[in-house]
Amino acid sequence: QQQVKQSPQSLIVQKGGISIINCAYENTAFDYFPWYQQFPGKGPALLIAIRPDVSEKKEGRFTISFNKSAKQFSLHIMDSQPGDSATYFCAAKRTTTDSWGKLQFGAGTQVVVTP
Amino acid sequence: NAGVTQTPKFQVLKTGQSMTLQCAQDMNHEYMSWYRQDPGMGLRLIHYSVGAGITDQGEVPNGYNVSRSTTEDFPLRLLSAAPSQTSVYFCASSPFRDTRGPEKLFFGSGTQLSVL
Repeated sequence: QQQVKQSPQSLIVQKGGISIINCAYENTAFDYFPWYQQFPGKGPALLIAIRPDVSEKKEGRFTISFNKSAKQFSLHIMDSQPGDSATYFCAAKRTTTDSWGKLQFGAGTQVVVTP
Repeated sequence: NAGVTQTPKFQVLKTGQSMTLQCAQDMNHEYMSWYRQDPGMGLRLIHYSVGAGITDQGEVPNGYNVSRSTTEDFPLRLLSAAPSQTSVYFCASSPFRDTRGPEKLFFGSGTQLSVL
C-alpha cells in the first residue's frame, strides 16, 4: 500500500503551458517532501523539496505548494519546455530515528511537453 | 567525479539463479540504499546502510541480501531469482548529516533485470 498517492499518471502539455502534479499522504508524521525528476535511462535526481513549516517554495520555473491541513502537496512547472519532458516522483519521509532513510515515493507522473 | 556507479546495466537471469548487482560511490557518503522501480509503483526501498558494517531492511527486503564492508561499496545479492524480481534497480547514496535523514539522494543510472 503506497503511503504517497500521486496523480495524474501522465500528462501532456504544450510548450509554455503549466504542468501540475499532485500528491497526497496519510502519515501526519511526514515532515520532508522532495520531488525527483527522472529522464529516460537515468536515475532520479532531486529537483526541489519542502518542509511543512512553509506553504510554498519556488526555484526557477518549479514551485511546490504545500497544504498541511489537506495533507497534499503539488509541483507546478511554469512555462513548460520540451526539456522538462521526464517522469516526476513526489516523496515523503519522517525524521524519527526508526524511520531514518525510509523515503516513501509516489508512483510517478510522466510529463510530455509538446513543441 | 563518477558519483554512483552501477553494474551491470542490463542482466537476464533464469528462475533460481543468483547474482550480485554492484554499486560503488566515490563521494565518501555514509548512507547508501537500494530501490526497485516498477511501473505504477514508483520506487520502493529494498535495503539501506548508514555506514560500513551497518545495514537495515526497507519496504521490500524479501529475496535480497546486502552487506557493507566498505564506505564505497554496497552490493545487492539476489539469492534465488524469481520472475517477480524483474525490475529496474537503483542504488543511491547520501551524506549523513544528522538525525533528519538523507535530504538529497544521488542515484546511479540503474540496472535493468529480467528474470525468465
